[in-house]
Amino acid sequence: GAGVSQSPSNKVTEKGKDVELRCDPISGHTALYWYRQSLGQGLEFLIYFQGNSAPDKSGLPSDRFSAERTGGSVSTLTIQRTQQEDSAVYLCASSSGRNSPLHFGNGTRLTVT
Amino acid sequence: GDSVTQMEGPVTLSEEAFLTINCTYTATGYPSLFWYVQYPGEGLQLLLKATKADDKGSNKGFEATYRKETTSFHLEKGSVQVSDSAVYFCALSLYNFNKFYFGSGTKLNVKP
Repeated sequence: GAGVSQSPSNKVTEKGKDVELRCDPISGHTALYWYRQSLGQGLEFLIYFQGNSAPDKSGLPSDRFSAERTGGSVSTLTIQRTQQEDSAVYLCASSSGRNSPLHFGNGTRLTVT
Repeated sequence: GDSVTQMEGPVTLSEEAFLTINCTYTATGYPSLFWYVQYPGEGLQLLLKATKADDKGSNKGFEATYRKETTSFHLEKGSVQVSDSAVYFCALSLYNFNKFYFGSGTKLNVKP
């Protein structure tokens, strides 16, 4: 079946512009995560959605970052007034529930010039 | 707090060598443990998992045993291949919170 889909795969933007990154999770998966992976670094947790519960936003690095998940499915990560340090690969993952593994998308590579 | 620590890379081995990548964890509850692999230019894929103490996860010749007494989940393979060159991530999830914690990743280079 279809996996986690992210778009765009690559995004180049100018400093100060806003960007939106999209994630389509696997159908039926109730949990959705956003991570950030900077060059040569590990995975930095950003935000987590579980069903209709309030999201865990504890990993968002600043108030320029926000995310929403509509209808319990598609999620959008928005970065306002982008900075060069926001350049990274943004990964989305979904899972079917507790103790279930994460399924990752291929990520969106964001470059802020 | 809850966390995962894994050995720093890169690890460089010759083909057919034995591989160990160390992973230890700190967790307030009873975590499930995972190894993920990221091949060059690809997304992260689940390699193996173990959900309780003494469980052994295995896949593609890789193994890892959940050791509660040493809070470890070391990844091993008896004979690596060039195609195993990738970045390996250890991770844990806690049932109550369903939040995943990842190690910093270990890059493996296998030379022919």
